This record gives sequence, structure tokens and C-alpha cells, in this order.
Amino acid sequence: LAKTTQPISMDSYEGQEVNITCSHNNIATNDYITWYQQFPSQGPRFIIQGYKTKVTNEVASLFIPADRKSSTLSLPRVSLSDTAVYYCLVSGGYNKLIFGAGTRLAVHP
Amino acid sequence: DGGITQSPKYLFRKEGQNVTLSCEQNLNHDAMYWYRQDPGQGLRLIYYSQIVNDFQKGDIAEGYSVSREKKESFPLTVTSAQKNPTAFYLCASSERDRAVTEAFFGQGTRLTVV
Repeated sequence: LAKTTQPISMDSYEGQEVNITCSHNNIATNDYITWYQQFPSQGPRFIIQGYKTKVTNEVASLFIPADRKSSTLSLPRVSLSDTAVYYCLVSGGYNKLIFGAGTRLAVHP
Repeated sequence: DGGITQSPKYLFRKEGQNVTLSCEQNLNHDAMYWYRQDPGQGLRLIYYSQIVNDFQKGDIAEGYSVSREKKESFPLTVTSAQKNPTAFYLCASSERDRAVTEAFFGQGTRLTVV
């Protein structure tokens, strides 16, 4: 399974765009990249998933370069409610869904 | 409504006792997972099951046991052999055999040893 590396924490202010980068140098050909969000005392929630280039949904964008060794989750115009832990996962097929330590995002007024 | 349900939300256990955490899903998912989360830490995989009557150990299976007799149910037993069981336990389910996988999580069970 490909190992992922993310920053431990990030700080931002309301209204700013936040970009969280995840490194996954050993990603396999059939692996997808998935991001989850977790609030305190709750289970993680799926945000977005992609294989290559760019994926956008109503809450975020995911940018994946051609070599797929990294990915960037982009949250546009964050609010206080975006304060959470964000996890990057790399998996495909028979996956065990291994979570890393995640990135703790704090959004300030 | 489809979803995944964990019960109870809070659980207290005396030292030396076994306790079973419930996880039920009506999403028709083949795969189910159990995670443990300690304060300020990420999720660590305890056990996972890709199909009924089959399950595999995760990274921290010692002191835990599971069963998968029905597709919709994946109970976790925390045994007395688990030396530090106080933690937040999360159950998840997903489709199997797909690279594009979205896991759905329950609301968790917070276990405290008293």
C-alpha cells in the first residue's frame, strides 16, 4: 500500500482558499486518491476522489499532477465550519483503507 | 434511510471484562472495517472484512476479535487481553472490488475502562 505524507497542521482565515498537499511517491497504477474530513467525535466523511488531473465537486477540488506522486486538496473560501482533520488515502481494488495522521486545519475568524 | 449504525454511543467497561460493540449497515456493502482512534491521533485499522464469513487482521488486532456471519453486521469484541482499550471506535463499510471506493462511517462508540 502506498504511504502518504501530509502536513500535521495548517492555519487559515475565513474566506481564504486552503490547499493541503499530500505526498504519495509509491502510488500504484490502479490506485485512486481519496480525501476524507473528520470533525471531533464523528466518523470521517468522504470529500472527493480522483485518479489524475483535476476533479471538482460542490465542496472541493482535487489536483493531481501527471506523475501522480502527490495531490492537492483545495478548499475555496473556507469558513469556521471547515475546521477539521483532513485525511489523504491512496488505495485501489482490495484495499484496507489505511488512514494516516491527517492534517489538522484550523480556520480563524 | 441507508446508513451505518454503531451502538452504543458510550460504553463503560470494568477491567478484565469483555465487551462487544455493534455495527450494522443497510447499504448492501460487502466490505466492513473497524478502526480505533486515540485522542489527537489518526485512525488505526483493527480488522476488516471483504465478504461474509471472512475477515483479516489490521495493524492493531491484538486483544480484539470480530465475526462476520451476516453481510449487514460486523461486531467487534474488545477482550480482556487488550491492555489499553479506552478509545473511540469507528466502524465503516464500502463496496468491494472497486478502485473507486467511498467508505461510509458510523458515528462511533466511545469506550472507557473504569
